[in-house]
Amino acid sequence: DSGVTQTPKHLITATGQRVTLRCSPRSGDLSVYWYQQSLDQGLQFLIHYYNGEERAKGNILERFSAQQFPDLHSELNLSSLELGDSALYFCASSVHRQTKGTQYFGPGTRLLVL
Amino acid sequence: AQKITQTQPGMFVQEKEAVTLDCTYDTSDPSYGLFWYKQPSSGEMIFLIYQGSYDQQNATEGRYSLNFQKARKSANLVISASQLGDSAMYFCAMREEEDFNKFYFGSGTKLNVKP
Repeated sequence: DSGVTQTPKHLITATGQRVTLRCSPRSGDLSVYWYQQSLDQGLQFLIHYYNGEERAKGNILERFSAQQFPDLHSELNLSSLELGDSALYFCASSVHRQTKGTQYFGPGTRLLVL
Repeated sequence: AQKITQTQPGMFVQEKEAVTLDCTYDTSDPSYGLFWYKQPSSGEMIFLIYQGSYDQQNATEGRYSLNFQKARKSANLVISASQLGDSAMYFCAMREEEDFNKFYFGSGTKLNVKP
C-alpha cells in the first residue's frame, strides 16, 4: 500500500458526460501528479499541483481540469467525455523539492466511456 | 528528444535467470534522479528502486539492482533470480533538479518470466 488513495476504482459513463476523480496524497506529501494511461500505453503526464498551486502542465486537454484543495486532496475533472478518454488515471504524490522525491502512485481509477 | 528511452518493448526470461532491462536518458542537468517502477497486470504502479546522479554506488534493493553508467547516460535495471511474479511492465523515469515539477517516463518494457 503506497499510502495514496484514489476513488472511485472503476467508473463507467457515457459520452458527453462529466466525471470527477479524487486523490488523497500520502501523509506529508504536498505534491500531487495526475497521469493518464491508455490501453497498453505508457504514462501521459497531465498536471502537477504543489500545496494547492498548479506547477506544471503536460498533455492535458482543455476538457480536463484539476485542483488541489487546502487539505491537499486533489480532484481531476473530465468533461464532455469521449470514447478515447477511456483509460487508467493515476494520481501520485511525492516530496517536492528533492530529485530524490520518489513518486508513489495510487491504485488508479479505471474509466470506461461508452 | 526523448528524455527517457526504453528500447525493449518486450522481453522473455527463464525463471531463476537474471534479466537486464535497458533505459537510457537525456539530460544536461548535472543533478537528477532515476527511478524504476513495476506495473503488474492488476494495474498498480509499484516503486522499485532509485538512483541519484551523484550517488557513487549502484543502487540495490533486494533482487533489484541498477546498473548506472553515467557517462553513457544509462540506468539499466537488473533483476536477479527471476520469479513468475516478476512478469509485468517496467517503466524507467527521471526527475531533474532544474525542473523537479516533472517526472519523465519511458514507454516501458513488458517482461514475461517463463516457468
